[in-house]
Amino acid sequence: QQPVQSPQAVILREGEDAVINCSSSKALYSVHWYRQKHGEAPVFLMILLKGGEQKGHEKISASFNEKKQQSSLYLTASQLSYSGTYFCGTPAGGTSYGKLTFGQGTILTVHP
Amino acid sequence: EPEVTQTPSHQVTQMGQEVILRCVPISNHLYFYWYRQILGQKVEFLVSFYNNEISEKSEIFDDQFSVERPDGSNFTLKIRSTKLEDSAMYFCASSLTYRDLHEQYFGPGTRLTVT
Repeated sequence: QQPVQSPQAVILREGEDAVINCSSSKALYSVHWYRQKHGEAPVFLMILLKGGEQKGHEKISASFNEKKQQSSLYLTASQLSYSGTYFCGTPAGGTSYGKLTFGQGTILTVHP
Repeated sequence: EPEVTQTPSHQVTQMGQEVILRCVPISNHLYFYWYRQILGQKVEFLVSFYNNEISEKSEIFDDQFSVERPDGSNFTLKIRSTKLEDSAMYFCASSLTYRDLHEQYFGPGTRLTVT
């Protein structure tokens, strides 16, 4: 069962902030975040392994709430280079590793 | 920085033909994956491979698909008799370990077009 992402699309001006959410109906042990630019491969951003843990990558950070079975990706002071589709991926079967089931993606567009 | 490479970047084939997509994972990685992405859709898992055997496979990965690690560096995906619906971008990914370091690094993809 795939995780559900919201919103489906976000349009920002440079410097604005955004939050992308990823939720699952099943228990989560880890959440992986990727960014994919048009015509390119998904690029690994970060993985969250523990409940409540926050990690960061440049001005992008994320949190993971095991109890709520959700993760949020925070993009602060967005840059043009942040544009792309963001996917969260969750390992199947209640594990923290293995095959990833991806959400449907959130399209982020940053304008000058 | 080490990266996953894939060849060819674009493959056009006729329905019913066999294709082999090639991948060279990052050299010290032990786990290998194939994913596919139909245009405009999300990335879907096909198969994972470890220690020269399939670890997991999805329902998409039927008898028409096979994977192989023919030597110490290459990892291939074979589609025996391609169908129109096999047209997609195929990504190879690799990860260092299965349990502790889970990051999967994706290759640039092979765009397969079946006509």
